Amino acid sequence: QKEVEQDPGPLSVPEGAIVSLNCTYSNSAFQYFMWYRQYSRKGPELLMYTYSSGNKEDGRFTAQVDKSSKYISLFIRDSQPSDSATYLCALENSGYSTLTFGKGTMLLVSP
Amino acid sequence: DGGITQSPKYLFRKEGQNVTLSCEQNLNHDAMYWYRQDPGQGLRLIYYSQIVNDFQKGDIAEGYSVSREKKESFPLTVTSAQKNPTAFYLCASNSVAKNIQYFGAGTRLSVL
Repeated sequence: QKEVEQDPGPLSVPEGAIVSLNCTYSNSAFQYFMWYRQYSRKGPELLMYTYSSGNKEDGRFTAQVDKSSKYISLFIRDSQPSDSATYLCALENSGYSTLTFGKGTMLLVSP
Repeated sequence: DGGITQSPKYLFRKEGQNVTLSCEQNLNHDAMYWYRQDPGQGLRLIYYSQIVNDFQKGDIAEGYSVSREKKESFPLTVTSAQKNPTAFYLCASNSVAKNIQYFGAGTRLSVL
């Protein structure tokens, strides 16, 4: 079993839709969770950072963590064509200096 | 502006040639990382460094070398031993206090 599983997509939605992006993980030692957005041929940029179970909201974005189920989600409300990108989850085990990344989900939002 | 600068943006390598990718940061971060990204493969860690003059191999270090002589700089050399170097290379850094990695814009390496 891989440490982090993320559906590669592509996920195609119309403008204005609510998008749900997900990662599952197997190592219960992961304590910190991040979501990055990567536009084509660009470096990833941090969207959300959270360390506890529950929800964290920032504008149209909500990060949700369920440590008991080892499941993390990123919700995007009122999706826009500019949200079209690849979204990567990243997990940190506080005992280690490196991050474990999902392979990324490609999102396409059509006007 | 604070950030991570990678250069060049595009690089071409001839057969048997070593090439060096530059990564500079002015964020005063202690740790720096090199990743390789291939389509459908996600980010794979090549090397990382937490302090000057020290670095560790990541998951795919073979065919690559690094140095960390200055806190701000972490160059990556793709050697002729790397038989499949065509990929998008990303440099990242973070402070030791908080493992949120910030990325550069990347270097796309192709083989002539």
